[in-house]
Amino acid sequence: RKEVEQDPGPFNVPEGATVAFNCTYSNSASQSFFWYRQDCRKEPKLLMSVYSSGNEDGRFTAQLNRASQYISLLIRDSKLSDSATYLCVVSLGGYSTLTFGKGTMLLVSP
Amino acid sequence: EAQVTQNPRYLITVTGKKLTVTCSQNMNHEYMSWYRQDPGLGLRQIYYSMNVEVTDKGDVPEGYKVSRKEKRNFPLILESPSPNQTSLYFCASRGHNSPLHFGNGTRLTVT
Repeated sequence: RKEVEQDPGPFNVPEGATVAFNCTYSNSASQSFFWYRQDCRKEPKLLMSVYSSGNEDGRFTAQLNRASQYISLLIRDSKLSDSATYLCVVSLGGYSTLTFGKGTMLLVSP
Repeated sequence: EAQVTQNPRYLITVTGKKLTVTCSQNMNHEYMSWYRQDPGLGLRQIYYSMNVEVTDKGDVPEGYKVSRKEKRNFPLILESPSPNQTSLYFCASRGHNSPLHFGNGTRLTVT
């Protein structure tokens, strides 16, 4: 089993749609979780950290399910500008190496 | 402004000609790292450094060298570049238990 797995997509959705991505991780000792966004040929940028109790930032909601070892990202009311690749990142915490998923591509169309 | 700066943004070179990609951060982060990104393979870690004079291999260190003589700088050195090192490279840094901050990338082509 790969350390961090994501559905590569692409997910094609119309503007205004709600879309959700999941990311599974293999190491049950993982402590830190993040979602990054990457636009084509640009650097990944932090979208949000994922907390145990779940957290929300505007139209974005992140959840952690430790029992099933996955994190999720929900995007409500999709905008054209949400089109990007979303990377799941997992770490054992502290200065441990961060492990990246290969990303899920989202395409939002008019 | 807090940032990670890497240079150059674009580099075209020939096989065997030594090159260095610089990386500097102004956030006083202990941890710095280099990644390469290739289609279908995602981000792969080349080398990382936990502090000055402390460096470790990542997943794909072959053909690369790094040094960490100062906290803010973490250059990536290709002593004898080969075409399979053509890639998009990112430098990144972070503080303890915090997310990575990435530089804006170096697109390297080795012919």
